[in-house]
Amino acid sequence: EMQLVESGGGLVQPGGSLRLSCAASGFTFSSYDMNWVRQAPGKGLEWVSYISSGGTTVYYADSVKGRFTISRDNAKNSLSVQMNSLRAEDTAVYYCAREVGPASDAFDIWGQGTMVTVSS
Amino acid sequence: SYVLTQPPSVSVAPGQTARITCGGNNIGSKNVHWYQQKPGQAPVLVVYDEIDRPSGIPERFSGSNSGNTATLTISRVEAGDEADYYCQVWHISSENYVFGTGTKVTVL
Repeated sequence: EMQLVESGGGLVQPGGSLRLSCAASGFTFSSYDMNWVRQAPGKGLEWVSYISSGGTTVYYADSVKGRFTISRDNAKNSLSVQMNSLRAEDTAVYYCAREVGPASDAFDIWGQGTMVTVSS
Repeated sequence: SYVLTQPPSVSVAPGQTARITCGGNNIGSKNVHWYQQKPGQAPVLVVYDEIDRPSGIPERFSGSNSGNTATLTISRVEAGDEADYYCQVWHISSENYVFGTGTKVTVL
């Protein structure tokens, strides 16, 4: 079964840091582009960041640029995002999501999400 | 930045057809994807590249896209279709993915 499992969420103070991870299984992780998407409580989906299959290309939403860093370890089938200088508005459920493949950039596999709360 | 606008809510009786629009500047030139999200669950891809469906998604879900509006159509609506629906595109000039504002579908 193809699966993504996020971890690393929790409560952090404003200005603090947190590192989220996403463990992939059931597919060849190194062949797929990956993304982070977040959803603030009661709000819609917001794309956060993208990384290509080989890790050479990354993109960020303006709201997190300069504060978040996406990375991946294909040998460990793992995706990560390092979040620094966290703000209250970063409070959200964070999902990792796999892209369909070369023919489409839709997100076909999603994790269950991990909650990040930024509060003093 | 690129904005995708959806109606906040759509109500439909069981067995009828629900149409959810996604408005964006020249969206007809882009590949549009649609996601279904039920409370407390992760989103599920229901239509991608306007018209394709992942395996396991019923044929009742279909999409179209032209001009400034993309549409997700749910035929023969069932109670289990009650959920939030989001459209999504890749905006090449900003190198960003963009999600629509979301539509809550209520089955009467």
